[in-house]
Amino acid sequence: EVQLVQSGAEVKKPGESLRISCKGSGYSFTSYWISWVRQMPGKGLEWMGRIDPGDPGDSSTNYSPSFQGHVTISADKSRTTAYLQWNSLKASDTALYYCATHYYYYYAMDVWGQGTTVTVSS
Amino acid sequence: QSALTQPASVSGSPGQSITISCTGTSSDVGGYNFVSWYRQHPGKAPKLMIYDVTNRPSGVSNRFSGSKSGNTASLTISGLQTEDEADYYCTSYSSSSSHYVFGTGTKVTVL
Repeated sequence: EVQLVQSGAEVKKPGESLRISCKGSGYSFTSYWISWVRQMPGKGLEWMGRIDPGDPGDSSTNYSPSFQGHVTISADKSRTTAYLQWNSLKASDTALYYCATHYYYYYAMDVWGQGTTVTVSS
Repeated sequence: QSALTQPASVSGSPGQSITISCTGTSSDVGGYNFVSWYRQHPGKAPKLMIYDVTNRPSGVSNRFSGSKSGNTASLTISGLQTEDEADYYCTSYSSSSSHYVFGTGTKVTVL
């Protein structure tokens, strides 16, 4: 079974750094893109960016202009895990974050993680 | 990059059909046949319902169908059921920075 399992909820203070994870199993992790999606409290879905876990070069990631420079998406093939990282959190980063893979269909996010809640508060 | 435009809410009675629109530009919806639709129940992860404008993933009811005309894509739910009450989002591949853009979301209410 193709599955994405995300790390647990986080509570952080403004200015702190954070990395959340998304572990893939049941498929060839390096063969399929993984996207990250944000959902702020009571709001809609926003595509943040995606990574090709099998591409070791800089071209392996695409970011939405809205998130470029604010987050970093990476992946560790040996751990079959993708990451979403912040160097300095803001209160406005409080949200539910989903990872999703493009496993069955190249241009659709067809298998989703369960979501990770990030709360940033002083 | 602006979100695709969807109606905030659509409602219908059980058994009826409803259609949700998703309007973008020639750089996204109108330029590519890579529109997907997702259903999200409260507290749950989104679920893919339609991909590549018209295609249903395995296991998705044939009550769901997709179409596109120009810069507007549409999701039609026929034979509306109580389980269809949820939020629905469209998304499209965009030529801008090779990324995706979601719609604003539509809350479907079954009366």
